[in-house]
Amino acid sequence: EIVLTQSPGTLSLSPGERATLSCRASQSVPKDYLAWSQQKPGQAPRLLVYGPSTRATGIPDRFSGSGSGTDFTLIVSRLEPEDFAVYYCHQYAWSPLTFGGGTKVEIK
Amino acid sequence: EVQLVESGGDLVQPGGTLRLSCEASGFIFSDHWMMWVRQAPGKGLEWVATIKQDGSEKHYVDSVKGRFTISRDNAKRSLYLEMNALKVEDTALYYCSRGSGWLIDSWGQGTLVTVSS
Repeated sequence: EIVLTQSPGTLSLSPGERATLSCRASQSVPKDYLAWSQQKPGQAPRLLVYGPSTRATGIPDRFSGSGSGTDFTLIVSRLEPEDFAVYYCHQYAWSPLTFGGGTKVEIK
Repeated sequence: EVQLVESGGDLVQPGGTLRLSCEASGFIFSDHWMMWVRQAPGKGLEWVATIKQDGSEKHYVDSVKGRFTISRDNAKRSLYLEMNALKVEDTALYYCSRGSGWLIDSWGQGTLVTVSS
């Protein structure tokens, strides 16, 4: 099983600032099959980025993913008010599909 | 537009049984792997089960193996999760999800399962 560890647990930032989120895997993720999703309170998650740098349909370009092997990063270049949420990484290379514990991006 | 609408969640006693359903629309259902993912109250996401397009391949997280069964009916564009021998720790919001391969690219709004005496 690939264990995903996200850091930090909480990120306190102001609108307009840059957010850098980390996802580290316990072993190399085959084909870099790593994705990021966003979840706002009371809502279902939404896919942001996968593979690990391809944005999903309709996702603004302030969201960018990078990394390979065991270390992956999601960057939000300039935080908008609607970006304050919880972000999860997940690997979809093989079973069991696994998620990281999440990073909460909160307003400072 | 992809739509996934779950139903069937309820309050059930430990050891009980429940069947969740998910109706899909807005895409060719039979072209996609489908998944169930759950989220316990105030917790993170946990993958539960996956089923191949034709139902010939199924995968489960260890904690539900032997108790849960995922199935689908492509003619009805529907996904199901039969849940037996329910435990308190199965309490969660259960999301129906669409896969592109194994990548989860769309989510329903979820149906709440509460296991309590």
